[in-house]
Amino acid sequence: DTGVSQDPRHKITKRGQNVTFRCDPISEHNRLYWYRQTLGQGPEFLTYFQNEAQLEKSRLLSDRFSAERPKGSFSTLEIQRTEQGDSAMYLCASSVGGTNTEAFFGQGTRLTVV
Amino acid sequence: QKEVEQDPGPLSVPEGAIVSLNCTYSNSAFQYFMWYRQYSRKGPELLMYTYSSGNKEDGRFTAQVDKSSKYISLFIRDSQPSDSATYLCAMSFYGNNRLAFGKGNQVVVIP
Repeated sequence: DTGVSQDPRHKITKRGQNVTFRCDPISEHNRLYWYRQTLGQGPEFLTYFQNEAQLEKSRLLSDRFSAERPKGSFSTLEIQRTEQGDSAMYLCASSVGGTNTEAFFGQGTRLTVV
Repeated sequence: QKEVEQDPGPLSVPEGAIVSLNCTYSNSAFQYFMWYRQYSRKGPELLMYTYSSGNKEDGRFTAQVDKSSKYISLFIRDSQPSDSATYLCAMSFYGNNRLAFGKGNQVVVIP
Protein backbone atom coordinates (compact mmCIF):
# COMPACT_ATOMS: atom_id res chain seq x y z
CA ASP A 1 0.00 0.00 0.00
CA THR A 2 1.60 3.30 -1.06
CA GLY A 3 -0.92 5.63 0.60
CA VAL A 4 -0.53 7.77 3.72
CA SER A 5 -0.22 5.53 6.76
CA GLN A 6 -1.17 6.52 10.31
CA ASP A 7 -0.56 4.67 13.54
CA PRO A 8 -2.31 3.85 15.78
CA ARG A 9 -5.79 3.83 14.28
CA HIS A 10 -7.42 4.16 17.68
CA LYS A 11 -6.14 5.41 21.01
CA ILE A 12 -7.96 5.60 24.34
CA THR A 13 -6.14 7.49 27.07
CA LYS A 14 -6.86 8.88 30.48
CA ARG A 15 -7.03 12.64 30.96
CA GLY A 16 -3.62 14.03 31.79
CA GLN A 17 -1.64 11.39 29.92
CA ASN A 18 0.62 12.11 26.95
CA VAL A 19 -0.03 10.53 23.57
CA THR A 20 1.99 10.37 20.35
CA PHE A 21 0.74 9.61 16.85
CA ARG A 22 2.78 8.71 13.81
CA CYS A 23 2.25 9.51 10.13
CA ASP A 24 4.14 8.03 7.17
CA PRO A 25 3.45 10.08 4.03
CA ILE A 26 3.45 8.87 0.44
CA SER A 27 7.13 8.27 -0.30
CA GLU A 28 7.77 10.99 -2.91
CA HIS A 29 5.72 13.64 -1.09
CA ASN A 30 7.75 16.33 0.63
CA ARG A 31 4.80 18.16 2.21
CA LEU A 32 2.98 16.82 5.23
CA TYR A 33 -0.05 18.23 7.05
CA TRP A 34 -1.89 17.49 10.28
CA TYR A 35 -5.62 18.18 10.66
CA ARG A 36 -8.10 17.53 13.45
CA GLN A 37 -11.72 16.52 12.86
CA THR A 38 -14.46 16.42 15.46
CA LEU A 39 -17.85 14.76 15.00
CA GLY A 40 -20.05 16.53 12.47
CA GLN A 41 -17.32 18.97 11.44
CA GLY A 42 -14.87 19.20 8.58
CA PRO A 43 -11.16 18.77 9.24
CA GLU A 44 -9.38 21.78 10.75
CA PHE A 45 -5.79 22.59 9.86
CA LEU A 46 -3.21 22.17 12.63
CA THR A 47 0.25 22.36 11.08
CA TYR A 48 2.28 21.85 7.90
CA PHE A 49 5.81 20.68 7.07
CA GLN A 50 7.85 21.03 3.96
CA ASN A 51 10.55 18.39 4.28
CA GLU A 52 11.73 18.72 7.90
CA ALA A 53 10.75 22.37 8.31
CA GLN A 54 7.53 23.22 10.12
CA LEU A 55 6.27 26.17 8.06
CA GLU A 56 2.88 26.96 9.50
CA LYS A 57 1.01 26.33 12.74
CA SER A 58 -2.64 27.05 13.48
CA ARG A 59 -3.78 28.88 16.60
CA LEU A 60 -5.56 25.59 17.36
CA LEU A 61 -2.17 24.07 18.09
CA SER A 62 -1.83 24.94 21.76
CA ASP A 63 1.40 24.64 23.74
CA ARG A 64 0.41 21.08 24.66
CA PHE A 65 0.70 20.03 21.03
CA SER A 66 4.00 19.48 19.27
CA ALA A 67 4.77 18.05 15.87
CA GLU A 68 8.04 16.95 14.37
CA ARG A 69 9.25 15.60 11.09
CA PRO A 70 12.85 14.52 11.54
CA LYS A 71 14.75 13.95 8.29
CA GLY A 72 11.71 14.99 6.30
CA SER A 73 10.18 11.52 6.27
CA PHE A 74 7.62 10.38 8.87
CA SER A 75 6.04 12.81 11.31
CA THR A 76 4.87 12.57 14.90
CA LEU A 77 2.20 14.57 16.68
CA GLU A 78 2.40 14.60 20.47
CA ILE A 79 -0.28 15.85 22.82
CA GLN A 80 0.81 16.43 26.41
CA ARG A 81 -1.54 16.42 29.41
CA THR A 82 -4.52 15.37 27.31
CA GLU A 83 -7.93 16.91 27.98
CA GLN A 84 -11.37 15.58 27.09
CA GLY A 85 -11.65 18.30 24.47
CA ASP A 86 -8.75 16.71 22.61
CA SER A 87 -10.97 13.76 21.69
CA ALA A 88 -11.13 13.83 17.89
CA MET A 89 -9.88 12.20 14.71
CA TYR A 90 -6.33 13.31 13.90
CA LEU A 91 -5.70 13.22 10.17
CA CYS A 92 -2.42 13.36 8.31
CA ALA A 93 -2.13 14.31 4.65
CA SER A 94 0.74 14.64 2.21
CA SER A 95 1.38 16.23 -1.17
CA VAL A 96 4.20 16.67 -3.65
CA GLY A 97 6.05 19.96 -3.98
CA GLY A 98 4.80 22.70 -6.24
CA THR A 99 2.00 25.18 -5.88
CA ASN A 100 -1.31 23.97 -4.48
CA THR A 101 -0.88 20.33 -5.34
CA GLU A 102 -3.46 17.75 -4.30
CA ALA A 103 -3.36 16.53 -0.71
CA PHE A 104 -4.01 12.87 0.07
CA PHE A 105 -5.19 11.84 3.52
CA GLY A 106 -4.49 8.86 5.72
CA GLN A 107 -7.17 6.93 7.59
CA GLY A 108 -6.67 8.96 10.73
CA THR A 109 -6.05 8.24 14.40
CA ARG A 110 -9.15 8.39 16.54
CA LEU A 111 -8.33 9.66 20.02
CA THR A 112 -10.68 9.24 22.96
CA VAL A 113 -9.75 10.92 26.23
CA VAL A 114 -11.63 9.51 29.23
CA GLN B 1 -18.81 33.96 9.48
CA LYS B 2 -16.91 30.80 8.65
CA GLU B 3 -14.64 30.85 5.63
CA VAL B 4 -16.51 27.97 3.99
CA GLU B 5 -20.20 27.28 4.44
CA GLN B 6 -21.69 23.90 3.66
CA ASP B 7 -25.18 23.03 4.79
CA PRO B 8 -24.54 19.83 6.77
CA GLY B 9 -28.11 18.55 6.57
CA PRO B 10 -28.30 14.84 5.64
CA LEU B 11 -29.51 14.06 2.15
CA SER B 12 -31.37 10.86 1.23
CA VAL B 13 -31.97 10.01 -2.41
CA PRO B 14 -33.20 6.93 -4.27
CA GLU B 15 -30.69 4.94 -6.28
CA GLY B 16 -30.21 6.40 -9.75
CA ALA B 17 -31.07 9.97 -8.73
CA ILE B 18 -28.80 12.98 -9.21
CA VAL B 19 -27.16 14.22 -6.01
CA SER B 20 -26.48 17.95 -5.86
CA LEU B 21 -24.20 19.41 -3.18
CA ASN B 22 -22.86 22.92 -2.79
CA CYS B 23 -20.66 25.21 -0.74
CA THR B 24 -20.28 28.94 -0.51
CA TYR B 25 -17.24 30.87 0.59
CA SER B 26 -16.56 34.38 1.73
CA ASN B 27 -12.95 35.02 0.71
CA SER B 28 -12.44 35.66 -3.00
CA ALA B 29 -8.73 34.81 -2.56
CA PHE B 30 -9.58 31.10 -2.60
CA GLN B 31 -8.32 29.80 -5.92
CA TYR B 32 -8.27 26.01 -5.64
CA PHE B 33 -11.34 23.89 -4.96
CA MET B 34 -11.70 20.27 -4.00
CA TRP B 35 -14.33 17.73 -3.11
CA TYR B 36 -13.50 14.87 -0.77
CA ARG B 37 -15.56 11.79 0.04
CA GLN B 38 -15.34 10.38 3.55
CA TYR B 39 -16.77 7.04 4.58
CA SER B 40 -17.60 6.52 8.24
CA ARG B 41 -14.50 6.36 10.45
CA LYS B 42 -12.17 6.68 7.44
CA GLY B 43 -9.96 9.46 6.13
CA PRO B 44 -11.16 11.83 3.36
CA GLU B 45 -10.59 10.62 -0.20
CA LEU B 46 -9.95 13.18 -2.94
CA LEU B 47 -12.68 13.10 -5.61
CA MET B 48 -12.31 16.27 -7.64
CA TYR B 49 -9.75 19.08 -7.85
CA THR B 50 -10.17 22.24 -9.90
CA TYR B 51 -8.88 25.79 -10.02
CA SER B 52 -10.90 27.52 -12.70
CA SER B 53 -14.50 28.61 -13.02
CA GLY B 54 -16.66 26.25 -15.03
CA ASN B 55 -17.34 22.53 -15.01
CA LYS B 56 -15.03 19.55 -14.63
CA GLU B 57 -16.29 16.03 -15.23
CA ASP B 58 -14.90 12.72 -14.04
CA GLY B 59 -17.16 9.76 -14.72
CA ARG B 60 -20.41 10.23 -12.81
CA PHE B 61 -19.03 13.25 -10.94
CA THR B 62 -19.16 16.89 -12.07
CA ALA B 63 -17.58 19.73 -10.13
CA GLN B 64 -18.76 23.24 -10.85
CA VAL B 65 -17.07 26.46 -9.74
CA ASP B 66 -18.52 29.95 -9.97
CA LYS B 67 -15.89 32.34 -8.63
CA SER B 68 -18.01 35.42 -9.27
CA SER B 69 -20.70 34.08 -6.93
CA LYS B 70 -18.22 32.33 -4.59
CA TYR B 71 -20.14 29.11 -5.03
CA ILE B 72 -19.06 25.57 -5.83
CA SER B 73 -21.12 22.47 -6.52
CA LEU B 74 -20.71 18.74 -6.89
CA PHE B 75 -23.15 16.64 -8.90
CA ILE B 76 -23.30 12.86 -8.77
CA ARG B 77 -25.22 11.25 -11.62
CA ASP B 78 -26.81 7.81 -11.46
CA SER B 79 -26.17 7.61 -7.73
CA GLN B 80 -25.33 4.22 -6.24
CA PRO B 81 -25.64 2.88 -2.68
CA SER B 82 -21.82 2.84 -2.61
CA ASP B 83 -21.93 6.65 -2.95
CA SER B 84 -23.40 6.82 0.57
CA ALA B 85 -20.81 8.86 2.47
CA THR B 86 -20.03 12.34 3.75
CA TYR B 87 -18.93 14.79 1.08
CA LEU B 88 -16.61 17.61 2.11
CA CYS B 89 -15.78 20.68 0.07
CA ALA B 90 -12.35 22.20 0.59
CA MET B 91 -10.44 25.15 -0.82
CA SER B 92 -7.09 26.87 -0.58
CA PHE B 93 -5.36 30.13 -1.43
CA TYR B 94 -2.79 30.36 -4.19
CA GLY B 95 0.63 29.43 -2.84
CA ASN B 96 -0.77 28.20 0.50
CA ASN B 97 -1.51 24.53 0.94
CA ARG B 98 -3.69 24.90 4.01
CA LEU B 99 -7.15 23.55 3.20
CA ALA B 100 -10.29 25.17 4.56
CA PHE B 101 -13.12 22.63 4.76
CA GLY B 102 -16.88 22.84 4.93
CA LYS B 103 -18.73 20.82 7.56
CA GLY B 104 -19.63 18.07 5.11
CA ASN B 105 -22.90 16.67 3.73
CA GLN B 106 -23.99 13.17 4.70
CA VAL B 107 -25.50 11.49 1.65
CA VAL B 108 -27.53 8.27 1.81
CA VAL B 109 -28.46 6.54 -1.45
CA ILE B 110 -31.39 4.20 -0.89
CA PRO B 111 -31.46 1.03 -3.03
